[in-house]
Amino acid sequence: GDSVTQMQGQVTLSEDDFLFINCTYSTTWYPTLFWYVQYPGEGPQLLLKVTTANNKGISRGFEATYDKGTTSFHLQKASVQESDSAVYYCVLGDMNYNQGKLIFGQGTKLSIKP
Amino acid sequence: NSKVIQTPRYLVKGQGQKAKMRCIPEKGHPVVFWYQQNKNNEFKFLINFQNQEVLQQIDMTEKRFSAECPSNSPCSLEIQSSEAGDSALYLCASSDWGVNQDTQYFGPGTRLLVL
Repeated sequence: GDSVTQMQGQVTLSEDDFLFINCTYSTTWYPTLFWYVQYPGEGPQLLLKVTTANNKGISRGFEATYDKGTTSFHLQKASVQESDSAVYYCVLGDMNYNQGKLIFGQGTKLSIKP
Repeated sequence: NSKVIQTPRYLVKGQGQKAKMRCIPEKGHPVVFWYQQNKNNEFKFLINFQNQEVLQQIDMTEKRFSAECPSNSPCSLEIQSSEAGDSALYLCASSDWGVNQDTQYFGPGTRLLVL
């Protein structure tokens, strides 16, 4: 079945460090890919979204590229801040498939040391 | 920022008790989803609606959960007889099924604790 894999359960960085969170997916179709971020006590919120049409998403200094060849959708940020501390989820979904049900990765908890 | 409203934020029930939570989707969003997020941050899709009609639901939802999205009223998810394993964060999300049809906007969740 469809799946999303995030191998890094936790990442700890210092402010201004480079962030890279690994995500790979497995599916037989071409879904929309998302990164959602969840802060403590809140629901997930959309960080960025990439469809098959546009390949790359950029938001709030974060970027991710949809790579159909390697089935990857890694998240990057050049310089992290303490306010970026949260759990990041790689997600796939498409309203035209599977009734729009989202499939979440395991999540990567990002901790930023001040 | 999402405008999905979920109430209550916290719910404590004993085993065997009913547990009911509500969701008001973003205005104009005809599609509503319910997910369960457990303590390991694993998400499980429960059910979704388009307007008042169920699109898809999992077996567990069919058997022990009841959900509805009546016209002009909040959507609701109710566990008929709570079990310890139902303790989780219940998230409601809505989608506009338009230009941003793939994007789901989540509420803050209802955290259920079954003692």
